[in-house]
Amino acid sequence: TQLLEQSPQFLSIQEGENLTVYCNSSSVFSSLQWYRQEPGEGPVLLVTVVTGGEVKKLKRLTFQFGDARKDSSLHITAAQPGDTGLYLCAGEYRPQGGSEKLVFGKGTKLTVNP
Amino acid sequence: GAVVSQHPSRVICKSGTSVKIECRSLDFQATTMFWYRQFPKQSLMLMATSNEGSKATYEQGVEKDKFLINHASLTLSTLTVTSAHPEDSSFYICSARETGYTEAFFGQGTRLTVV
Repeated sequence: TQLLEQSPQFLSIQEGENLTVYCNSSSVFSSLQWYRQEPGEGPVLLVTVVTGGEVKKLKRLTFQFGDARKDSSLHITAAQPGDTGLYLCAGEYRPQGGSEKLVFGKGTKLTVNP
Repeated sequence: GAVVSQHPSRVICKSGTSVKIECRSLDFQATTMFWYRQFPKQSLMLMATSNEGSKATYEQGVEKDKFLINHASLTLSTLTVTSAHPEDSSFYICSARETGYTEAFFGQGTRLTVV
C-alpha cells in the first residue's frame, strides 16, 4: 500500500511569515501533485512535479520533488490570509496489474492570521 | 485548467433510498474518472476507478453493489449510493483525467446526508 505522510497536520501563522509543508513516503511515485481545498469544495490542482529534484514556482509558492521521487515539499513565502486553506499532496502510482491512481496525504490545514 | 462539474452539490435523503451523483467533464473527454469519499477533517479516500465502457474497479473494502458506478460516455460518470444509511453520509468527490495527461481535475463535491 502506498502511503503519504503529510506534515504538519495543522499550521497557524501570522501574515508575512514563511512556512513549509512536507509530504513523505517510502514509496516511489511517478508524479506528485499538490492541491488546495476550500471547505465544501473539491480540491484544486496547484502543481504537478514529475522529475526527481524538480522545483516549480507559482508566485510565492515553491514546490520541490525529492531526488528519489519519494517526497515533496511546499514552501510559501510571506504568507497572506488568502493562503488559508487545506493543502493536500497526492502521489501517482501504478499498482501491479492495475491502472494509475492517486493516493492522498491527510492534508495540512493552514491558517494565516492578519 | 479543465472543468469537471459534479451534481448535485448537496443532497439529503431518507434512509433506505438511493441517490445518484453525476460527474461530467465539460471541456475534455475523460477516459478515466475516479470517485473519492472524504470524511470530516480527513483526506480523500479512493473508492473506485471508472473507465469508459467497462466495469469500474473498486478499492478494497468498498461494496460494489452498494456504490454503483456507470461510465457510459467519455464525459459522464455516475455514482449511485443504493439503500443509503446514515453511515453513508459523507462528502463524495469525483475527478476526471484526459487520456494521455497526468493531471486529474476534481468536481466540486457532493455533500450527502442520510437521515
